[in-house]
Amino acid sequence: AQTVTQSQPEMSVQEAETVTLSCTYDTSESDYYLFWYKQPPSRQMILVIRQEAYKQQNATENRFSVNFQKAAKSFSLKISDSQLGDAAMYFCAYSFAYNNNDMRFGAGTRLTVKP
Amino acid sequence: GAGVSQSPRYKVAKRGQDVALRCDPISGHVSLFWYQQALGQGPEFLTYFQNEAQLDKSGLPSDRFFAERPEGSVSTLKIQRTQQEDSAVYLCASSLGVAGVETQYFGPGTRLLVL
Repeated sequence: AQTVTQSQPEMSVQEAETVTLSCTYDTSESDYYLFWYKQPPSRQMILVIRQEAYKQQNATENRFSVNFQKAAKSFSLKISDSQLGDAAMYFCAYSFAYNNNDMRFGAGTRLTVKP
Repeated sequence: GAGVSQSPRYKVAKRGQDVALRCDPISGHVSLFWYQQALGQGPEFLTYFQNEAQLDKSGLPSDRFFAERPEGSVSTLKIQRTQQEDSAVYLCASSLGVAGVETQYFGPGTRLLVL
């Protein structure tokens, strides 16, 4: 079974600085997708960024980028120029490539942004 | 366009009561998912529909949990004879297709408290 581990229950960053959230996963599959979701206090989860396992290039979305290390099964999220609106729970998730009905989430990292 | 909506947003039930939670997915989305999110945890998969077919119900914790999507759009998660351990946020998500790459769009969740 696939498992996703987020070892940082809480992280804090100063506004305008950079923070990295860690995620590791375990799978025997070679084709899969990894996701970072953000869940603000209102609780509606939104997709932040997605990485295809077959792509070596790390995904980026504006201030958000990932460091995908396939051999190490590591998928960290870097948030640059942190903003107050980035404060939320962040969940790392894994999905097998050929069907999406088995998405696995980590336990989450609560990010606090200090003004 | 409208996103995924869920109702009610909050539900308090006495132990032993039956509850029904509703999910309205994004129009045209083939896939629909139900997740259970305990306090301080990531979402855990409950069940999956592809149109009206329930293809995976492996995550349902007991036979007290039942889900349906009779016309391939709105879905209802029913919990019979609720127990205190059923207290959680129940998230619904939908995606356009069925592959692992598809983005899941989440609703705001229903927070269930069983007294």
